[in-house]
Amino acid sequence: GEDVEQSLFLSVREGDSSVINCTYTDSSSTYLYWYKQEPGAGLQLLTYIFSNMDMKQDQRLTVLLNKKDKHLSLRIADTQTGDSAIYFCAEGRDMRFGAGTRLTVKP
Amino acid sequence: EAQVTQNPRYLITVTGKKLTVTCSQNMNHEYMSWYRQDPGLGLRQIYYSMNVEVTDKGDVPEGYKVSRKEKRNFPLILESPSPNQTSLYFCASSYAIGGGWEQFFGPGTRLTVL
Repeated sequence: GEDVEQSLFLSVREGDSSVINCTYTDSSSTYLYWYKQEPGAGLQLLTYIFSNMDMKQDQRLTVLLNKKDKHLSLRIADTQTGDSAIYFCAEGRDMRFGAGTRLTVKP
Repeated sequence: EAQVTQNPRYLITVTGKKLTVTCSQNMNHEYMSWYRQDPGLGLRQIYYSMNVEVTDKGDVPEGYKVSRKEKRNFPLILESPSPNQTSLYFCASSYAIGGGWEQFFGPGTRLTVL
């Protein structure tokens, strides 16, 4: 089957940039997504990128897509304690999710 | 307010006792789905529904049933729950964006089967 892989943990200091990485396997995926899950809550769509794009920027968020390597990243600039959450990447029409990266932001 | 609601939010039950987790959306979405979330495994899709009376298996359908008698509701049924179904369950409602979906998730139901 198709797998979406992410590292499980990331810890950064407040004010630093965070980069969360994801690799996927389905080259036919039209859209790739980043979701945020705060403690005790459901997932919220943060951003998505269409497969014909290399980069998408939305305020503090930058998504980079390397189609050749099937690699997706989410960069959060000026990371704040409120950014502490689990971040999931997901691909395609079947919405396959990675295991999630738990981001911890230290003051 | 556009939302997906699930009930109950928390449930502790015993092996073999049938239960239903309800899901309702008020956005008139055609596509709805159920996921379970387990540590280190992310979200895995259990069942999905493209429209009323149309349901299909996801990646981990064993031990679950669903129904879609009306557009807004998509209940998840565990006929004979077992401890390996202890998990956090999310319902999602979606609309199409080109070749993909924008999904709206419910708040989750934490189920413990003893």
